[in-house]
Amino acid sequence: AQSVTQLGSHVSVSEGALVLLRCNYSSSVPPYLFWYVQYPNQGLQLLLKYTSAATLVKGINGFEAEFKKSETSFHLTKPSAHMSDAAEYFCAVSDGGSQGNLIFGKGTKLSVKP
Amino acid sequence: DAGVIQSPRHEVTEMGQEVTLRCKPISGHDYLFWYRQTMMRGLELLIYFNNNVPIDDSGMPEDRFSAKMPNASFSTLKIQPSEPRDSAVYFCASRNRGEAFFGQGTRLTVV
Repeated sequence: AQSVTQLGSHVSVSEGALVLLRCNYSSSVPPYLFWYVQYPNQGLQLLLKYTSAATLVKGINGFEAEFKKSETSFHLTKPSAHMSDAAEYFCAVSDGGSQGNLIFGKGTKLSVKP
Repeated sequence: DAGVIQSPRHEVTEMGQEVTLRCKPISGHDYLFWYRQTMMRGLELLIYFNNNVPIDDSGMPEDRFSAKMPNASFSTLKIQPSEPRDSAVYFCASRNRGEAFFGQGTRLTVV
């Protein structure tokens, strides 16, 4: 069965510092992986996705993630944090590749200090 | 496309009343999901449909909850009778072959 683990329920960085949010997955099929962001009082919005093409995936707002099969990881990074990046971030894996359910991690709340 | 549309955005109801949440998925999407989000339990999958057929309802808390998808463009989540512990944000999402797209959610408060 597919699953996702997000390490750290809360991450705090200073403005301008590197953002690193960790996600490890388990999948019995070639995985489709996603990062979503949720701003307060809003729905989840797609940041980026991996669907078996390039292993380094670029998303919106300067975020990117690298798929590492050997480490079963899909960590999210951004070189320089901005105050507007403060939000909750969710990693997800598809239950069946291009089909089926998305299995979400428990989320990581990112705080950005001035 | 206007995206996934949920209504109402906010609902306040008294304990014991019936509540119906509505969702219009993105046209052409063949998967529809209902999620519940609370501070304590995070994001929980309640049920999902494929081509209007319920595939997995193991996340539905109890018999008070029911969901239907009478056609490809409409789904409802009903709670009858509602209880204060049902207070949460309920999200609908739809998917085709890639990512899932989420609605803005319905914030339900049961008093």
